[in-house]
Amino acid sequence: QQQVKQSPQSLIVQKGGISIINCAYENTAFDYFPWYQQFPGKGPALLIAIRPDVSEKKEGRFTISFNKSAKQFSLHIMDSQPGDSATYFCAASNAGNNRKLIWGLGTSLAVNP
Amino acid sequence: DGGITQSPKYLFRKEGQNVTLSCEQNLNHDAMYWYRQDPGQGLRLIYYSQIVNDFQKGDIAEGYSVSREKKESFPLTVTSAQKNPTAFYLCASSITSGHYNEQFFGPGTRLTVL
Repeated sequence: QQQVKQSPQSLIVQKGGISIINCAYENTAFDYFPWYQQFPGKGPALLIAIRPDVSEKKEGRFTISFNKSAKQFSLHIMDSQPGDSATYFCAASNAGNNRKLIWGLGTSLAVNP
Repeated sequence: DGGITQSPKYLFRKEGQNVTLSCEQNLNHDAMYWYRQDPGQGLRLIYYSQIVNDFQKGDIAEGYSVSREKKESFPLTVTSAQKNPTAFYLCASSITSGHYNEQFFGPGTRLTVL
């Protein structure tokens, strides 16, 4: 049973465009929602994270939008660049499960020059 | 430099052989994790440990074993009981205090069964 559903599976965006990746969750006890970025052959690295007490968090070109009532959160990459081409994973956790991260299946993003 | 190291980067194994993947961290993190990554399946948790000499099974522990004798080290053994071991294996660590614990990942080990 997948508790965090991520879409789309793959995404192609032109340079300068906006990349949008969506995640939906089921467990209302989740209270931490990070996004990780992974380049081929490397381990994932934390990109940005949000808590449910805020609706939006922005760091540079990366923004998380959070909709608690809909149980959804999304990653927006503004002015997408070829260097942003990577796989992006959303995740969620809560104290009740020892802070284990529940992962989405990932989105492969390709930014065309 | 602080971080997580995994070795080897590539590993080849014959069917029926056990193999051990190394994971070391110098971040002074209490928690360590092992994930398996297959194309299209995201990251699946194999085992995790929140303290020395203690560890718990993750979602896909069958055919794997771990030990946590030192805070810095969390080796993973892929046994011959693991029917489809070819995959990319990732080790991670995090603090256990606080509410929002970032997991730091190593560079991974790609295991291929011949």
